[in-house]
Amino acid sequence: NAGVTQTPKFRVLKTGQSMTLLCAQDMNHEYMYWYRQDPGMGLRLIHYSVGEGTTAKGEVPDGYNVSRLKKQNFLLGLESAAPSQTSVYFCASSSTGTSGRRTGELFFGEGSRLTVL
Amino acid sequence: GDSVTQMEGPVTLSEEAFLTINCTYTATGYPSLFWYVQYPGEGLQLLLKATKADDKGSNKGFEATYRKETTSFHLEKGSVQVSDSAVYFCALSVTGGFKTIFGAGTRLFVKA
Repeated sequence: NAGVTQTPKFRVLKTGQSMTLLCAQDMNHEYMYWYRQDPGMGLRLIHYSVGEGTTAKGEVPDGYNVSRLKKQNFLLGLESAAPSQTSVYFCASSSTGTSGRRTGELFFGEGSRLTVL
Repeated sequence: GDSVTQMEGPVTLSEEAFLTINCTYTATGYPSLFWYVQYPGEGLQLLLKATKADDKGSNKGFEATYRKETTSFHLEKGSVQVSDSAVYFCALSVTGGFKTIFGAGTRLFVKA
């Protein structure tokens, strides 16, 4: 029962390098999200997607790009990593209920810890 | 805008003590309210939820009641265990919206 899977789980980058975090969900959920978690700040929304081929900015989108070419995958890219992007990144997904509206319950991956030197 | 405020931690309790973690919210619509728990090294998982005023969510001995008049959703447990040590997040999701808003999290330590 995979649920939401994130890869890689750990990564160390040098300033200016690029990388992509991959999120895959096998629950056929419409909505997918990328959050970052920093001490004392809870979870902050980076970008989200309400369906295949769609993306939207969240609370802290600068320095990140995303793509959702397939319904089950949501990619988070860092084009030029900065030390301020050192964080733990969480992907999450949610579904629509019988009413067709988003249920609000999020299913999370285990996180990807990124360190930028 | 919508927001969630929860009590700062860490909270340190002895086993079998009573737990309360306060959570208040502001929202423009009629939100659903959630408590998520994060165990060390893991992602968040849903602990309980309530979708309308006066609803009580409960799970694993934890409870929270949706209080519209005080815009609160406080988490309680009558007798905590060492295994309850984790970070607890209060969150809201406005009906029909696309986003979930999280509080800053409260770390709980339970001593044997």
